[in-house]
Amino acid sequence: AQTVTQSQPEMSVQEAETVTLSCTYDTSESDYYLFWYKQPPSRQMILVIRQEAYKQQNATENRFSVNFQKAAKSFSLKISDSQLGDAAMYFCAYRSAKGNQFYFGTGTSLTVIP
Amino acid sequence: DAMVIQNPRYQVTQFGKPVTLSCSQTLNHNVMYWYQQKSSQAPKLLFHYYDKDFNNEADTPDNFQSRRPNTSFCFLDIRSPGLGDAAMYLCATSNLFLPGRAFFGQGTRLTVV
Repeated sequence: AQTVTQSQPEMSVQEAETVTLSCTYDTSESDYYLFWYKQPPSRQMILVIRQEAYKQQNATENRFSVNFQKAAKSFSLKISDSQLGDAAMYFCAYRSAKGNQFYFGTGTSLTVIP
Repeated sequence: DAMVIQNPRYQVTQFGKPVTLSCSQTLNHNVMYWYQQKSSQAPKLLFHYYDKDFNNEADTPDNFQSRRPNTSFCFLDIRSPGLGDAAMYLCATSNLFLPGRAFFGQGTRLTVV
């Protein structure tokens, strides 16, 4: 199984500021997908943003953007203009283009300080 | 509008008493997954179905079984729950023909007493 590593168990950010969550992964494949999922307390996991490995351009969804460094196997999430509703556990995930399995990192708990 | 529905949201079972968790989907996705998530840990894939093809992860204990009687439903059976099986169980779906993303249910929190 592929390994996904999130080295920041907890992060905090002031409301309206910017925060970056880190993720690295290990794979020998060249074609795959990377994801950031958000899991608020006691609520379901929802997709924040997705990146296809064959695309060089970094994905952006409103206040959320990624820095995808394929050679370094790094996939960080930047949250701009942080809002109280952004507080959640964030999981980085990997999926091979050839398989069905999603593999998750251990998560980063984000606190937003008013 | 719920797309992946897990029942029940909370389940309490006795040590050693078989328990079944259910998942249904309205997305008509061909892949369904079961994940186990313990507190402060990553979701761990137990197994998944691609249509009727069952794919077990190598380290999934035999105590965990699954059934998928049709496209819409998938069940997780725990034959003899132990205290270590207490966790959140997440069901998810994806469509092989739509690149990438998985859709998750709200999860079932299992307590073993």
